[in-house]
Amino acid sequence: AQRVTQPEKLLSVFKGAPVELKCNYSYSGSPELFWYVQYSRQRLQLLLRHISRESIKGFTADLNKGETSFHLKKPFAQEEDSAMYYCALLLGAQKLVFGQGTRLTINP
Amino acid sequence: NAGVTQTPKFRILKIGQSMTLQCAQDMNHNYMYWYRQDPGMGLKLIYYSVGAGITDKGEVPNGYNVSRSTTEDFPLRLELAAPSQTSVYFCASRGSGAWTGELFFGEGSRLTVL
Repeated sequence: AQRVTQPEKLLSVFKGAPVELKCNYSYSGSPELFWYVQYSRQRLQLLLRHISRESIKGFTADLNKGETSFHLKKPFAQEEDSAMYYCALLLGAQKLVFGQGTRLTINP
Repeated sequence: NAGVTQTPKFRILKIGQSMTLQCAQDMNHNYMYWYRQDPGMGLKLIYYSVGAGITDKGEVPNGYNVSRSTTEDFPLRLELAAPSQTSVYFCASRGSGAWTGELFFGEGSRLTVL
């Protein structure tokens, strides 16, 4: 089955500490993966995509095909990073499948 | 541009009632989607449309219907509301052509069925 798993529903870290949000996927082809973020009272929006190999707001994510993972990382968490994060997998050319989401809280 | 607009933002329904969640986009996007967001369950795809007159089921279509008579609008209909349909509903859209994976979401509609 093609699916995305985010094992942590809640993650709490202190400001300045490193952050890692886990994402594992199951997909028979070559995956295209994304991270979406929903800040409080804002719309769900794209944070980054693995094919771009970009760093957005200090976050990076590396696709590890051997471990079927796409973990989101940031070396030093900031309070404004508190949000709901979703990992998503592109299915075919038409659909995105989302993981269960991880609520990240950055403590001052 | 307003982007993706959903109405209503909040609604309480009684079991067995019917209602339509409205979604409109002004970006001339061909693709439109309806997701529901349940706590701890993430977003589940209900229905999607690749253009006017064309719709298809997603992961959880039971209890819902959609139509796509225009490019701009993609309403979601609940015929006989059940408590299991209590959720936050999100409409999203994207353009045609090579897709980079970015969806544009509405603000969501919170539905409670009592």
